[in-house]
Amino acid sequence: RKEVEQDPGPFNVPEGATVAFNCTYSNSASQSFFWYRQDCRKEPKLLMSVYSSGNEDGRFTAQLNRASQYISLLIRDSKLSDSATYLCAVIFSSNTGKLIFGQGTTLQVKP
Amino acid sequence: DTAVSQTPKYLVTQMGNDKSIKCEQNLGHDTMYWYKQDSKKFLKIMFSYNNKELIINETVPNRFSPKSPDKAHLNLHINSLELGDSAVYFCASSQDPRETQYFGPGTRLLVL
Repeated sequence: RKEVEQDPGPFNVPEGATVAFNCTYSNSASQSFFWYRQDCRKEPKLLMSVYSSGNEDGRFTAQLNRASQYISLLIRDSKLSDSATYLCAVIFSSNTGKLIFGQGTTLQVKP
Repeated sequence: DTAVSQTPKYLVTQMGNDKSIKCEQNLGHDTMYWYKQDSKKFLKIMFSYNNKELIINETVPNRFSPKSPDKAHLNLHINSLELGDSAVYFCASSQDPRETQYFGPGTRLLVL
C-alpha cells in the first residue's frame, strides 16, 4: 500500500460544477496535512493546510478524517483556471518534516 | 522577489558527466529540501537540511550529494549522471520541519 494515495483521474468537469478529491494515508501518527496545486511545468504551490476541524477558503473546503485516515478537497463552482493537478501531502514525522506526496489528481474544467 | 530560486532552470548533459544544481531561499527559513519529480509526475523527497544539518537522507544513490554552505543555500551535486536521473528537481524550504514547505521553480535535467 502506498503511503499516500490519490485517484489520479483525470476528472473532467464543466464550469460551475462541484468536484471532490479524496486522499488516503497509511501512517496513523501523521502530523500535518496539505493540499498543493501544480500547474503544468510549474512548481507545487500550497493551496491549503488541512486542520482537524476542517477549513474553508473561498470556493475550496478541506476536511480531515483521522479515524479513516483520509483528507478531502471540495471545489465549488469550478472555474477554467482551476484546471491543474492537485497533490495531497502528509508529514509523517514532525521531527524531520518528511513530506510524502500522493501521485496527484488531475482536474480539467471545461467550458 | 523570488522566495526560493534554483539555477539552472534547464540542464541537458551527457551520461557520465558531473553537474550541480543550486538553490537559494530569501525567506529566512531554517529547513531546506530537495525533491525529485519523475516522468510519472511522482514527487519524492531526497534530502533535507535543518540549520545546515542533514536530517533526511532517503534511499538515494551516493552519486547524489547535497551541500549546505549556509541556511539560505542547499546545493545538489550529481556525479556520473545516468539516463534515469532525468527528472525535474525541486528545492523547497520551510521555517521548521513542521511548517509549510515552499517550492522553487524546478530544474529540468535531461541526461542523454
